[in-house]
Amino acid sequence: AQSVSQHNHHVILSEAASLELGCNYSYGGTVNLFWYVQYPGQHLQLLLKYFSGDPLVKGIKGFEAEFIKSKFSFNLRKPSVQWSDTAEYFCAVNGGSSNTGKLIFGQGTTLQVKP
Amino acid sequence: DVKVTQSSRYLVKRTGEKVFLECVQDMDHENMFWYRQDPGLGLRLIYFSYDVKMKEKGDIPEGYSVSREKKERFSLILESASTNQTSMYLCASSPLTSGANVLTFGAGSRLTVL
Repeated sequence: AQSVSQHNHHVILSEAASLELGCNYSYGGTVNLFWYVQYPGQHLQLLLKYFSGDPLVKGIKGFEAEFIKSKFSFNLRKPSVQWSDTAEYFCAVNGGSSNTGKLIFGQGTTLQVKP
Repeated sequence: DVKVTQSSRYLVKRTGEKVFLECVQDMDHENMFWYRQDPGLGLRLIYFSYDVKMKEKGDIPEGYSVSREKKERFSLILESASTNQTSMYLCASSPLTSGANVLTFGAGSRLTVL
């Protein structure tokens, strides 16, 4: 069965610090990978996605993620965080060639950015 | 602005009550999903549907049922609510085609069962 593991449950950073949130998945075949974000009081929304091609994907608000197939990882990065990045971040995977929309989510990482 | 609307943002129910959570999307999406979100557990799939009157169990369907009588509406039903069903419930939808894996979420329904 597919699973997703996010290593950091709660991260606290100061503004301008660099961010890296870890995400590992277990599935041996073709995968679609996602990062979703939930800002306080708002809907869960897509931050970025990887389907194929360039393993370094860029998303909204300066976020990027790198797919490393050999490590089964899809870590999220941002060079310099802002207070407005305070949110909960979820990594998700859809394994296989199916286009079902059925995603497996990680446990989530709460990011708190101090001004 | 396209959206997924969950009719109830906050509900408080008693143990044993029947609970209906309603979800409507205006994007003509074929796929609809119900997840529950719990701290430290992330989102877990309860049920999903690819078409009207069609449903499939997700990872944690026990204690829940669903109904999809119209394409735009997907209801989650708790036949007899229990305290361990206190949670945030998220509805989502996606198209059947290449964008199927990009979900649009509703604002969530926070259910407390006393």
